[in-house]
Amino acid sequence: GQQLNQSPQSMFIQEGEDVSMNCTSSSIFNTWLWYKQDPGEGPVLLIALYKAGELTSNGRLTAQFGITRKDSFLNISASIPSDVGIYFCAGRIGSGAGSYQLTFGKGTKLSVIP
Amino acid sequence: DAMVIQNPRYQVTQFGKPVTLSCSQTLNHNVMYWYQQKSSQAPKLLFHYYDKDFNNEADTPDNFQSRRPNTSFCFLDIRSPGLGDAAMYLCATSRDLWGLYGYTFGSGTRLTVV
Repeated sequence: GQQLNQSPQSMFIQEGEDVSMNCTSSSIFNTWLWYKQDPGEGPVLLIALYKAGELTSNGRLTAQFGITRKDSFLNISASIPSDVGIYFCAGRIGSGAGSYQLTFGKGTKLSVIP
Repeated sequence: DAMVIQNPRYQVTQFGKPVTLSCSQTLNHNVMYWYQQKSSQAPKLLFHYYDKDFNNEADTPDNFQSRRPNTSFCFLDIRSPGLGDAAMYLCATSRDLWGLYGYTFGSGTRLTVV
């Protein structure tokens, strides 16, 4: 099956710093989604990307759909303590039988030091 | 607010004793999914319903079954839970198989097997 390599696995940053994380794959994806999961809760959708090269913002969050369609990036600017959590990328290939299911990355655990 | 609701939030069951987890949605979405998420791992798709059509992932154990009696409800039955089935179980919905309008997750049920 398709695999998504998400990095970094974890990061510790100072409050106010910017954060970058990414997902890469050897497969071409038609959709990229970025989720945040708080402890004991389900993932919450942050940003959805449907087109190569697309750059979309949601408040302090910005995500991009890579031109090659094999990668995506999420940036968080001016981090605050409530940004703490696990960030997952998810991709969907979207063509052919069975290709509609989401493939998840292994997550990036973000810790913010006040 | 339209949402995906999972009950209970925490479930403790005995080794080998059947257990049922429930999910309801007020979004009127056609597709409902069940994911298993173990600690520090990405969610893993177990199966999904597109309307009444059931689709089992190839590597989902036979121990796991699902029912969708109507559009709003979907159940996950674990016939004989083992210690390895302890996990967070996430229900998600989407309007269509392509997730063009996003995927919405519930808050999850954390299952403990004793």
